[in-house]
Amino acid sequence: GENVEQHPSTLSVQEGDSAVIKCTYSDSASNYFPWYKQELGKRPQLIIDIRSNVGEKKDQRIAVTLNKTAKHFSLHITETQPEDSAVYFCAPSHTGNQFYFGTGTSLTVIP
Amino acid sequence: KAGVTQTPRYLIKTRGQQVTLSCSPISGHRSVSWYQQTPGQGLQFLFEYFSETQRNKGNFPGRFSGRQFSNSRSEMNVSTLELGDSALYLCASSLYQRTYEQYFGPGTRLTVT
Repeated sequence: GENVEQHPSTLSVQEGDSAVIKCTYSDSASNYFPWYKQELGKRPQLIIDIRSNVGEKKDQRIAVTLNKTAKHFSLHITETQPEDSAVYFCAPSHTGNQFYFGTGTSLTVIP
Repeated sequence: KAGVTQTPRYLIKTRGQQVTLSCSPISGHRSVSWYQQTPGQGLQFLFEYFSETQRNKGNFPGRFSGRQFSNSRSEMNVSTLELGDSALYLCASSLYQRTYEQYFGPGTRLTVT
């Protein structure tokens, strides 16, 4: 089955700095690459996703980059704010497999 | 549009009992997936239903089962509860299968004593 790893598992940054979280996967058939954000006590919510025919996608302060050859994709958050503090999950998938979520990255933005 | 709803929100059961959790997807969504979330294991996939058919199943014992009704509502059942089944159970709906955004419900917090 798919092996999904996220690095780092915890990340602390100063407000205004950038944060990068990397997700590596093993299934070369994966063609959908979302990132979910889960704030404490709340449900996971999609923040950005990318499909395999696109290398990069940006939405205001958030971007995702994909390297299909190396089988990894990354979440980039610029100008971090305290409300960015949460756990972030990646979940690479394709229609032929079950859902695999990464183990999560706990991001803390220090004011 | 109403979001994904789950009932009950909290549940306390004793070992050996069984439990049924319910999930109502967003109107028009045909895919419902279930997850178990624990602090140590993160989000673990249980199963996915699409048009009343189980399309995929995670690595959980047969005590975990589910079904989907014609209105896309889904239930999951856990029989012979064990202490280790204590977790937050999340369901998520999406328009189609797997490669689309999933919308999560608030979860059911199950405590097994």
